[in-house]
Amino acid sequence: GENVEQHPSTLSVQEGDSAVIKCTYSDSASNYFPWYKQELGKRPQLIIDIRSNVGEKKDQRIAVTLNKTAKHFSLHITETQPEDSAVYFCAASIDYKLSFGAGTTVTVRA
Amino acid sequence: DVKVTQSSRYLVKRTGEKVFLECVQDMDHENMFWYRQDPGLGLRLIYFSYDVKMKEKGDIPEGYSVSREKKERFSLILESASTNQTSMYLCASPPPAGGYTDTQYFGPGTRLTVL
Repeated sequence: GENVEQHPSTLSVQEGDSAVIKCTYSDSASNYFPWYKQELGKRPQLIIDIRSNVGEKKDQRIAVTLNKTAKHFSLHITETQPEDSAVYFCAASIDYKLSFGAGTTVTVRA
Repeated sequence: DVKVTQSSRYLVKRTGEKVFLECVQDMDHENMFWYRQDPGLGLRLIYFSYDVKMKEKGDIPEGYSVSREKKERFSLILESASTNQTSMYLCASPPPAGGYTDTQYFGPGTRLTVL
């Protein structure tokens, strides 16, 4: 099956700085790559996604890039704010089946 | 707005008990999924279903079974609960094929503790 690796496992950034989370996947058939944010005690919420026919997508302060050849994708958060503190999960999907990374705990220091 | 609900937020059971976790979605979706979430391991797929009466094993089906008698309801069953099944269980359902996104809509989760 699909194997998704996510790095780093924890990330501490100063407010206003950028945060980058990287993921790799193993199955070249994966065609959909969502990113989820999970705040403490809450369910995962989709924050941005990208399909395999697109290389980059941006939504305000967050962006995702995809390199199909290298089988890796990344989440970029610019101008981080305290409310960005959460656990972030990447995932790769084939036919709605999502394989998740282990998660990155992001802490934004005020 | 899609609503995915789960029968319990917290559940405490004893080793050997049969446990039922219920998930209901109100948008007539065909696909439903059960995941478990553990620290440092992310979310792992247990079982999924593409239609009523249909079920498919995910990555970690051992010790679990499922039931999908009605389209809106997908139940996860722990036949004989064990302590290593203590976890957060999340149900999810994506929109139908051809929807604007393949994203999964998650339920609030059930935190199960097996003593």
